[in-house]
Amino acid sequence: QQQVKQSPQSLIVQKGGISIINCAYENTAFDYFPWYQQFPGKGPALLIAIRPDVSEKKEGRFTISFNKSAKQFSLHIMDSQPGDSATYFCAAKRSGTASKLTFGTGTRLQVTL
Amino acid sequence: DTAVSQTPKYLVTQMGNDKSIKCEQNLGHDTMYWYKQDSKKFLKIMFSYNNKELIINETVPNRFSPKSPDKAHLNLHINSLELGDSAVYFCASSQDANSPLHFGNGTRLTVT
Repeated sequence: QQQVKQSPQSLIVQKGGISIINCAYENTAFDYFPWYQQFPGKGPALLIAIRPDVSEKKEGRFTISFNKSAKQFSLHIMDSQPGDSATYFCAAKRSGTASKLTFGTGTRLQVTL
Repeated sequence: DTAVSQTPKYLVTQMGNDKSIKCEQNLGHDTMYWYKQDSKKFLKIMFSYNNKELIINETVPNRFSPKSPDKAHLNLHINSLELGDSAVYFCASSQDANSPLHFGNGTRLTVT
């Protein structure tokens, strides 16, 4: 059972464009939604995260939009740059020591010149 | 300074062998994890430890045995390696179970 569904699987965006990656979750107990960025040969690194008490969070060129009623959240990368080319993972977790961070299937983003 | 370090970076071995992967974190975190990333890049938790105590043990074959000698170290021992064990194994740590994860750079295990 895939608790966090992510799309698209891959994405090609021109430099300066907007990259949009979407995720949907099933478990209404989830209350923490991070996005991780992974470069080849490296481990995932936290990019930005949101909790369901807000509908949007922005950090620089990266924005998370959150729709609690639809159980969806998305990552927007404004003014995409070649250095943003990486694999992006959404994830979700509920509070609690024994709860696990469940990852989406990943989106491979390529930003072309 | 590397925050979460894993050794070795690459591991190539034959089926049936036993191997270990070591992980150390210098962040002072209380919680450590092992994740498996398969060839399709899917990330799945295997184990988590909080202050040396096993907290999460996913449906992982008992050929995989984690050991945490202290809260800064979490090692993974794998017995009787199988072809399907080939993957990248990531160690991670967090301040507590509700804090962001910091990942190491992974150990690429290839079983031939």
